[in-house]
Amino acid sequence: GEDVEQSLFLSVREGDSSVINCTYTDSSSTYLYWYKQEPGAGLQLLTYIFSNMDMKQDQRLTVLLNKKDKHLSLRIADTQTGDSAIYFCAASRGGSGTYKYIFGTGTRLKVLA
Amino acid sequence: AAGVIQSPRHLIKEKRETATLKCYPIPRHDTVYWYQQGPGQDPQFLISFYEKMQSDKGSIPDRFSAQQFSDYHSELNMSSLELGDSALYFCASSLAEGITGNTIYFGEGSWLTVV
Repeated sequence: GEDVEQSLFLSVREGDSSVINCTYTDSSSTYLYWYKQEPGAGLQLLTYIFSNMDMKQDQRLTVLLNKKDKHLSLRIADTQTGDSAIYFCAASRGGSGTYKYIFGTGTRLKVLA
Repeated sequence: AAGVIQSPRHLIKEKRETATLKCYPIPRHDTVYWYQQGPGQDPQFLISFYEKMQSDKGSIPDRFSAQQFSDYHSELNMSSLELGDSALYFCASSLAEGITGNTIYFGEGSWLTVV
């Protein structure tokens, strides 16, 4: 089955860029997502990318997808203290019906003032 | 815009008791998913329903059952609760053939504490 891996921790200084990496195993994954979870809160969808795209930019967020290496990254420009949270990547397959997400282990981003 | 509504938000139960979590999907969404997130863990898929029929099953214990009703809301029933069932339970919904692709939208979660 699908396996999604992330590094567990990342620490950056305020104003720097953060890059969170994710690898997945199922090459038939159609959509890849990034979610943010703040302490005690739910999962907030940040962005997603379709597997036929290499890059997607949305304000401070840039998603890069290397389908050959099955590697996904999320770059946060000008990281702020409010960006401190756990970031999950998730992979799913398309098709009609349901789209079960497989989540990575989550990367805990700590932004230092 | 309306989001996925879960209730209750917090629940405390004793071991061996039963708990029921409710989920109200985004209007017109026909698919509901349940996820379990233990402390410090990533969300694990439990079960999903499409048009009131079970569509996929993950790591849901036999002590748990779920269903989707005619109004598309879903309930997760958990019996013979164990301490290890303490977790954040997410419900999510999607529209199977929607223009947004297969994006699913999560509720805020229900915190279950078993003591």
